[in-house]
Amino acid sequence: DTEVTQTPKHLVMGMTNKKSLKCEQHMGHRAMYWYKQKAKKPPELMFVYSYEKLSINESVPSRFSPECPNSSLLNLHLHALQPEDSALYLCASSQGEYKSYEQYFGPGTRLTVT
Amino acid sequence: QKEVEQDPGPLSVPEGAIVSLNCTYSNSAFQYFMWYRQYSRKGPELLMYTYSSGNKEDGRFTAQVDKSSKYISLFIRDSQPSDSATYLCAIVNTGGFKTIFGAGTRLFVKA
Repeated sequence: DTEVTQTPKHLVMGMTNKKSLKCEQHMGHRAMYWYKQKAKKPPELMFVYSYEKLSINESVPSRFSPECPNSSLLNLHLHALQPEDSALYLCASSQGEYKSYEQYFGPGTRLTVT
Repeated sequence: QKEVEQDPGPLSVPEGAIVSLNCTYSNSAFQYFMWYRQYSRKGPELLMYTYSSGNKEDGRFTAQVDKSSKYISLFIRDSQPSDSATYLCAIVNTGGFKTIFGAGTRLFVKA
């Protein structure tokens, strides 16, 4: 099974809302990633978790708060977002950071901030 | 200078054509070179990766890396309408763990 699942598929939220994105994998991978992708642009790395610890934070605004409760699950908590945060949010995983060249992506959550 | 440069296209070819997709990169420290395919409204899917220089073949797909010229290529033989997608090259440096994507080339294969 090489599947990464993400919920919800779509999310519309106001600028004062708090919501969370969820990502799950059952491949035994120990590195998990959050990316942001704007329309017709490549994915941009936001966060990397390695063995449930935050390894890389690409200077992401604090209104995005990642969490890795266990080795299979990755959350992205959203609060006080701006309309420019509307994008496709992708989760990915790999066996470890040392195999970041072999990442498996989920289908993404399409976020609209109104 | 961007770390990875890729022509966004679009590239339109007839069914059965050989497709050549290319990227250049700036940092000779990069060791792993990947190609991802992304269909509209889906997540990227890894097609193949190459370590250092050389060729790698998987079915109709061939990836090629020329480290001397910092040039990476993906060739698709006997292209099919189902190959219509955005193709993203990507690099990661050993020990860096950060993947950097090219802009992506939109490919259309006409039946």
